[in-house]
Amino acid sequence: GAVVSQHPSRVICKSGTSVKIECRSLDFQATTMFWYRQFPKQSLMLMATSNEGSKATYEQGVEKDKFLINHASLTLSTLTVTSAHPEDSSFYICSARGEGGYEQYFGPGTRLTVT
Amino acid sequence: AQSVTQLDSQVPVFEEAPVELRCNYSSSVSVYLFWYVQYPNQGLQLLLKYLSGSTLVKGINGFEAEFNKSQTSFHLRKPSVHISDTAEYFCAVSISMIKAAGNKLTFGGGTRVLVKP
Repeated sequence: GAVVSQHPSRVICKSGTSVKIECRSLDFQATTMFWYRQFPKQSLMLMATSNEGSKATYEQGVEKDKFLINHASLTLSTLTVTSAHPEDSSFYICSARGEGGYEQYFGPGTRLTVT
Repeated sequence: AQSVTQLDSQVPVFEEAPVELRCNYSSSVSVYLFWYVQYPNQGLQLLLKYLSGSTLVKGINGFEAEFNKSQTSFHLRKPSVHISDTAEYFCAVSISMIKAAGNKLTFGGGTRVLVKP
């Protein structure tokens, strides 16, 4: 149980375009989802926390207008990187937590390359 | 705010030898502690966690960790490693399960384990 999927696993887009990444909890209802960013050979940095049906809470230094997060249902959250630039190239990982739960379950990650 | 320090960025080890990955944390409140493993180009998999109770925690794949409150440490150990243990390992902490806190995880910088034949 507690499986989280991400789609796509890998995406290449041109500079200036937008790209959407989906995060789904497959076998539980995720009241809270988290989005992380990981640069090569570095740790995970929390970008934002989203609760189903409400606006995401962004960490300091993360541009909310650039990284749009939507958590419209208990099984789906999306991260849209708007007007992507090469410096947005990174590995994006989501995690999900159920109601009353303490553990985060991580997705397999999405590698974004902006050319 | 809490912080996590993983003292070794890279640990080379021979197959069947023991390994210890060090993790120290800083927090003004009680914390929960986690170790995750990340294989190349993959997400994170939980190895083990400490929430309360016995300070020695056993996890998957033969790993264990010991919570030491006085030393604010949560070191990860395995008595005999395999080639397949080559991966990145992350220590993480969160404060207690207060809903308003959102159960955010703070990660250490990671330790890359390279198991040599």
